[in-house]
Amino acid sequence: AQSVTQPDIHITVSEGASLELRCNYSYGATPYLFWYVQSPGQGLQLLLKYFSGDTLVQGIKGFEAEFKRSQSSFNLRKPSVHWSDAAEYFCAVGGLNQAGTALIFGKGTTLSVSS
Amino acid sequence: EPEVTQTPSHQVTQMGQEVILRCVPISNHLYFYWYRQILGQKVEFLVSFYNNEISEKSEIFDDQFSVERPDGSNFTLKIRSTKLEDSAMYFCASSRSGTVNEQFFGPGTRLTVL
Repeated sequence: AQSVTQPDIHITVSEGASLELRCNYSYGATPYLFWYVQSPGQGLQLLLKYFSGDTLVQGIKGFEAEFKRSQSSFNLRKPSVHWSDAAEYFCAVGGLNQAGTALIFGKGTTLSVSS
Repeated sequence: EPEVTQTPSHQVTQMGQEVILRCVPISNHLYFYWYRQILGQKVEFLVSFYNNEISEKSEIFDDQFSVERPDGSNFTLKIRSTKLEDSAMYFCASSRSGTVNEQFFGPGTRLTVL
Protein backbone atom coordinates (compact mmCIF):
# COMPACT_ATOMS: atom_id res chain seq x y z
CA ALA A 1 0.00 0.00 0.00
CA GLN A 2 1.09 3.54 -0.63
CA SER A 3 2.51 5.30 2.39
CA VAL A 4 4.39 8.38 3.44
CA THR A 5 6.88 8.34 6.30
CA GLN A 6 8.19 11.31 8.17
CA PRO A 7 10.71 9.77 10.56
CA ASP A 8 11.11 12.79 12.81
CA ILE A 9 8.17 13.61 15.05
CA HIS A 10 9.74 16.70 16.60
CA ILE A 11 12.82 18.72 15.65
CA THR A 12 14.32 21.72 17.42
CA VAL A 13 16.59 24.03 15.46
CA SER A 14 18.35 27.21 16.52
CA GLU A 15 17.30 30.37 14.77
CA GLY A 16 19.61 30.96 11.82
CA ALA A 17 20.62 27.32 11.56
CA SER A 18 19.85 25.14 8.58
CA LEU A 19 16.94 22.72 8.51
CA GLU A 20 16.20 19.44 6.81
CA LEU A 21 12.94 17.56 7.29
CA ARG A 22 12.82 14.04 5.98
CA CYS A 23 10.11 12.40 3.92
CA ASN A 24 10.06 8.95 2.35
CA TYR A 25 7.29 7.44 0.30
CA SER A 26 6.37 3.97 -0.74
CA TYR A 27 4.93 3.66 -4.20
CA GLY A 28 5.81 1.77 -7.37
CA ALA A 29 6.02 4.79 -9.64
CA THR A 30 6.89 8.43 -9.06
CA PRO A 31 3.97 10.13 -7.36
CA TYR A 32 3.26 13.80 -7.15
CA LEU A 33 4.92 15.17 -4.02
CA PHE A 34 3.98 18.02 -1.76
CA TRP A 35 5.06 19.75 1.42
CA TYR A 36 2.44 21.57 3.49
CA VAL A 37 2.89 23.68 6.62
CA GLN A 38 0.37 24.22 9.38
CA SER A 39 0.68 27.00 11.92
CA PRO A 40 -1.48 26.81 15.06
CA GLY A 41 -5.12 27.57 14.29
CA GLN A 42 -4.43 27.75 10.57
CA GLY A 43 -5.15 25.48 7.64
CA LEU A 44 -2.55 23.57 5.68
CA GLN A 45 -0.57 25.85 3.38
CA LEU A 46 1.30 24.49 0.38
CA LEU A 47 5.05 25.17 0.54
CA LEU A 48 6.08 23.46 -2.69
CA LYS A 49 5.29 20.60 -5.02
CA TYR A 50 7.06 18.26 -7.42
CA PHE A 51 5.40 16.78 -10.45
CA SER A 52 8.27 16.22 -12.89
CA GLY A 53 11.41 17.84 -14.28
CA ASP A 54 14.09 19.43 -12.14
CA THR A 55 14.39 17.40 -8.97
CA LEU A 56 15.23 20.45 -6.86
CA VAL A 57 12.13 22.55 -6.38
CA GLN A 58 11.83 25.95 -4.83
CA GLY A 59 8.89 26.95 -2.69
CA ILE A 60 7.60 29.82 -0.66
CA LYS A 61 9.22 31.25 2.46
CA GLY A 62 12.71 30.23 1.31
CA PHE A 63 12.06 26.48 1.40
CA GLU A 64 13.29 23.98 -1.15
CA ALA A 65 12.98 20.24 -1.55
CA GLU A 66 14.88 17.64 -3.50
CA PHE A 67 13.33 14.56 -5.05
CA LYS A 68 15.62 11.54 -5.00
CA ARG A 69 14.10 8.64 -6.88
CA SER A 70 16.76 6.15 -5.76
CA GLN A 71 15.96 6.87 -2.12
CA SER A 72 12.20 7.42 -2.54
CA SER A 73 12.70 10.64 -0.66
CA PHE A 74 11.54 14.22 -0.87
CA ASN A 75 13.32 16.08 1.90
CA LEU A 76 12.51 19.67 2.76
CA ARG A 77 15.34 22.13 3.42
CA LYS A 78 15.87 25.70 4.45
CA PRO A 79 19.33 27.27 4.79
CA SER A 80 18.48 29.62 7.64
CA VAL A 81 15.49 29.10 9.91
CA HIS A 82 13.48 31.99 11.31
CA TRP A 83 11.45 31.88 14.52
CA SER A 84 8.28 32.24 12.43
CA ASP A 85 9.02 28.88 10.80
CA ALA A 86 7.96 27.07 13.97
CA ALA A 87 4.99 24.99 12.84
CA GLU A 88 3.96 21.50 11.81
CA TYR A 89 5.18 20.26 8.45
CA PHE A 90 3.45 17.59 6.41
CA CYS A 91 4.75 15.69 3.44
CA ALA A 92 2.07 14.35 1.07
CA VAL A 93 1.80 12.34 -2.12
CA GLY A 94 -0.91 12.40 -4.74
CA GLY A 95 -1.85 11.09 -8.15
CA LEU A 96 -1.72 7.53 -6.94
CA ASN A 97 -4.79 6.22 -8.69
CA GLN A 98 -7.03 6.90 -11.64
CA ALA A 99 -9.12 9.49 -9.90
CA GLY A 100 -5.99 11.13 -8.63
CA THR A 101 -7.70 13.45 -6.23
CA ALA A 102 -6.69 12.07 -2.84
CA LEU A 103 -3.58 13.24 -1.04
CA ILE A 104 -1.87 10.82 1.33
CA PHE A 105 -0.11 12.55 4.19
CA GLY A 106 2.70 11.66 6.51
CA LYS A 107 2.24 12.04 10.26
CA GLY A 108 3.95 15.39 10.29
CA THR A 109 7.05 16.86 11.90
CA THR A 110 6.75 19.57 14.52
CA LEU A 111 9.46 22.18 14.19
CA SER A 112 10.48 24.25 17.19
CA VAL A 113 12.90 27.14 16.79
CA SER A 114 15.10 28.16 19.70
CA SER A 115 16.72 31.56 20.08
CA GLU B 1 -6.33 36.50 -0.89
CA PRO B 2 -9.22 34.05 -1.17
CA GLU B 3 -9.32 31.30 1.41
CA VAL B 4 -11.33 28.30 2.48
CA THR B 5 -13.39 28.89 5.59
CA GLN B 6 -14.91 26.35 7.96
CA THR B 7 -17.54 26.57 10.67
CA PRO B 8 -17.69 25.92 13.49
CA SER B 9 -14.10 25.90 14.67
CA HIS B 10 -15.01 23.50 17.46
CA GLN B 11 -18.07 21.26 17.79
CA VAL B 12 -18.90 19.15 20.82
CA THR B 13 -21.60 16.51 20.45
CA GLN B 14 -22.97 13.48 22.19
CA MET B 15 -22.42 10.02 20.79
CA GLY B 16 -25.22 9.04 18.40
CA GLN B 17 -26.05 12.61 17.43
CA GLU B 18 -25.87 13.95 13.90
CA VAL B 19 -23.40 16.69 13.09
CA ILE B 20 -22.95 18.85 10.04
CA LEU B 21 -19.62 20.49 9.38
CA ARG B 22 -19.64 23.42 7.01
CA CYS B 23 -17.13 24.73 4.55
CA VAL B 24 -17.05 27.58 2.09
CA PRO B 25 -14.54 26.72 -0.66
CA ILE B 26 -12.75 29.29 -2.78
CA SER B 27 -15.31 30.69 -5.16
CA ASN B 28 -13.90 29.65 -8.56
CA HIS B 29 -12.83 26.19 -7.44
CA LEU B 30 -14.61 23.15 -8.78
CA TYR B 31 -13.26 20.27 -6.67
CA PHE B 32 -13.93 19.91 -2.97
CA TYR B 33 -12.48 17.58 -0.37
CA TRP B 34 -12.77 16.48 3.23
CA TYR B 35 -9.88 15.16 5.26
CA ARG B 36 -9.65 14.31 8.94
CA GLN B 37 -6.86 14.08 11.48
CA ILE B 38 -7.34 12.09 14.65
CA LEU B 39 -5.16 13.51 17.41
CA GLY B 40 -1.59 12.32 17.03
CA GLN B 41 -2.27 10.57 13.74
CA LYS B 42 -1.98 11.33 10.03
CA VAL B 43 -4.20 13.59 8.00
CA GLU B 44 -6.46 11.13 6.16
CA PHE B 45 -8.42 11.60 2.95
CA LEU B 46 -12.16 11.08 3.27
CA VAL B 47 -13.83 12.17 0.05
CA SER B 48 -13.61 14.33 -3.05
CA PHE B 49 -16.57 15.93 -4.77
CA TYR B 50 -16.99 17.34 -8.26
CA ASN B 51 -19.95 18.33 -10.38
CA ASN B 52 -22.36 17.50 -7.57
CA GLU B 53 -21.20 13.97 -7.05
CA ILE B 54 -18.53 12.06 -5.19
CA SER B 55 -15.50 11.43 -7.41
CA GLU B 56 -13.44 9.45 -4.93
CA LYS B 57 -13.80 8.23 -1.37
CA SER B 58 -11.73 6.32 1.13
CA GLU B 59 -12.61 3.30 3.23
CA ILE B 60 -13.23 5.63 6.16
CA PHE B 61 -16.09 7.31 4.30
CA ASP B 62 -18.79 4.77 5.10
CA ASP B 63 -22.58 5.06 5.14
CA GLN B 64 -22.45 7.24 8.24
CA PHE B 65 -20.88 10.02 6.20
CA SER B 66 -22.40 12.12 3.45
CA VAL B 67 -21.43 15.27 1.61
CA GLU B 68 -23.52 17.90 -0.05
CA ARG B 69 -23.22 21.17 -1.87
CA PRO B 70 -26.57 22.64 -0.87
CA ASP B 71 -26.03 25.95 -2.66
CA GLY B 72 -23.45 27.72 -4.77
CA SER B 73 -21.08 28.41 -1.91
CA ASN B 74 -21.31 25.84 0.89
CA PHE B 75 -19.92 22.32 1.05
CA THR B 76 -20.98 20.19 4.00
CA LEU B 77 -19.96 16.96 5.68
CA LYS B 78 -22.65 15.16 7.64
CA ILE B 79 -22.02 12.41 10.13
CA ARG B 80 -25.35 10.71 10.83
CA SER B 81 -24.71 9.02 14.14
CA THR B 82 -21.43 10.06 15.69
CA LYS B 83 -19.15 7.63 17.44
CA LEU B 84 -16.38 8.32 19.92
CA GLU B 85 -13.81 7.47 17.26
CA ASP B 86 -15.14 10.25 15.02
CA SER B 87 -13.46 12.76 17.32
CA ALA B 88 -10.90 14.45 15.11
CA MET B 89 -9.96 17.63 13.29
CA TYR B 90 -11.83 17.79 9.98
CA PHE B 91 -10.29 19.78 7.14
CA CYS B 92 -12.08 20.98 4.07
CA ALA B 93 -10.09 21.72 0.91
CA SER B 94 -10.81 22.93 -2.60
CA SER B 95 -8.95 23.07 -5.89
CA ARG B 96 -9.47 24.64 -9.27
CA SER B 97 -9.26 21.28 -10.99
CA GLY B 98 -8.75 17.68 -10.00
CA THR B 99 -5.86 15.30 -10.40
CA VAL B 100 -3.32 16.72 -7.98
CA ASN B 101 -3.94 20.34 -8.64
CA GLU B 102 -3.01 22.34 -5.57
CA GLN B 103 -5.54 21.85 -2.82
CA PHE B 104 -6.24 24.83 -0.57
CA PHE B 105 -7.13 23.88 2.98
CA GLY B 106 -9.36 25.49 5.55
CA PRO B 107 -8.37 25.90 9.22
CA GLY B 108 -10.34 22.85 10.30
CA THR B 109 -13.21 22.00 12.62
CA ARG B 110 -12.33 20.14 15.80
CA LEU B 111 -15.09 17.61 16.50
CA THR B 112 -15.32 16.17 19.99
CA VAL B 113 -17.74 13.29 20.54
CA LEU B 114 -18.58 12.58 24.17
